[in-house]
Amino acid sequence: EAGVTQFPSHSVIEKGQTVTLRCDPISGHDNLYWYRRVMGKEIKFLLHFVKESKQDESGMPNNRFLAERTGGTYSTLKVQPAELEDSGVYFCASSQVDGPYEQYFGPGTRLTVT
Amino acid sequence: GENVEQHPSTLSVQEGDSAVIKCTYSDSASNYFPWYKQELGKRPQLIIDIRSNVGEKKDQRIAVTLNKTAKHFSLHITETQPEDSAVYFCAAYGAGGTSYGKLTFGQGTILTVHP
Repeated sequence: EAGVTQFPSHSVIEKGQTVTLRCDPISGHDNLYWYRRVMGKEIKFLLHFVKESKQDESGMPNNRFLAERTGGTYSTLKVQPAELEDSGVYFCASSQVDGPYEQYFGPGTRLTVT
Repeated sequence: GENVEQHPSTLSVQEGDSAVIKCTYSDSASNYFPWYKQELGKRPQLIIDIRSNVGEKKDQRIAVTLNKTAKHFSLHITETQPEDSAVYFCAAYGAGGTSYGKLTFGQGTILTVHP
């Protein structure tokens, strides 16, 4: 079974530019989560999709971040315009069942904003 | 919301020694506590988890204990090996309030096992 995949693995952009991160969850997993880890700190929740619907987006930092999951399959996270403090590792995770169960993580996208 | 504190931030042990990482959480409604291991350049992977109705769980060389009254849980690794070197994250799953339905992670512990 293929795991969660993320693209790109690394992205370096200048402040003010736009970047789009992509996540492909494990096939059949309705639940998709985005997280971010900044500068060696904790992994922080950003948002949770159930199929194509946003279940919880309380962790999104501000309106420069837009997440979509059209068709309930892969998801994209767009940052526009990027700021220096957006640098970090963005993780995607998926799970088959909503609730207190294992979430399977992707390898992450390391975003550097210069 | 939930707050998870993890200690120590770095831990260095000799091969064969035991390693213990501790986490405390703030929301007594949290009911699921997974531990993830992230090796260098790889994805975080679940190594063990425990639910709030269980006090201890063991899987070969790793074990997790949970004290609901004190709101803390710990990861124990015995007979450490160099391949145990990684960053370990604890997390708590919220079952109420603003933490509901979310995993809140600790800051991570960098474990280094010296041969």
